[in-house]
Amino acid sequence: AQKVTQAQTEISVVEKEDVTLDCVYETRDTTYYLFWYKQPPSGELVFLIRRNSFDEQNEISGRYSWNFQKSTSSFNFTITASQVVDSAVYFCALSEASGGFKTIFGAGTRLFVKA
Amino acid sequence: DGGITQSPKYLFRKEGQNVTLSCEQNLNHDAMYWYRQDPGQGLRLIYYSQIVNDFQKGDIAEGYSVSREKKESFPLTVTSAQKNPTAFYLCASSRPGQREIAKNIQYFGAGTRLSVL
Repeated sequence: AQKVTQAQTEISVVEKEDVTLDCVYETRDTTYYLFWYKQPPSGELVFLIRRNSFDEQNEISGRYSWNFQKSTSSFNFTITASQVVDSAVYFCALSEASGGFKTIFGAGTRLFVKA
Repeated sequence: DGGITQSPKYLFRKEGQNVTLSCEQNLNHDAMYWYRQDPGQGLRLIYYSQIVNDFQKGDIAEGYSVSREKKESFPLTVTSAQKNPTAFYLCASSRPGQREIAKNIQYFGAGTRLSVL
């Protein structure tokens, strides 16, 4: 069965600290896609990144970086030099090629960045 | 600006009442979705629609109904049969390719917060 686990419910850091949000997934498909979305206080989820199961290259986008490791079924997200504007709930999600339109979301990690 | 508009932002339901949440998109997307968000539980799929006049039940469809008469609109009705409707409801859309539907990125509205009086 497909499952996404975000074990960290809440994380609190001080501005300029680095922070890593963990995501562990379960799937039996060999073809699948992993996503990270950000939900700021305004409510709408905003897409951050998508990774397919055949591409294990790490990705860096400004202060954001993602570490995809199939060996540990993890897709962790690191924010370098965090800022107050990074405060939000972050969701990891999984879609399987056999699952059609269904996307499974983790429970989310609420990040507080204090000035 | 292209996007998804959900209304109202806040909604209150009396016991035994049906209420309808609006979702409109001008992104020209074929697929639309309704999710329910409860604290600490992530997003759960209520219904989705791939094309006009077609929709499928998600994981928690009981007590909800939808329609898809226009490509731009996908309203959700929370019926009196839904005994615990208090939640944050999110509408999303995507433009899936003919293949690899699973890779499609979803675009979300700002949500409707429903409470019971």
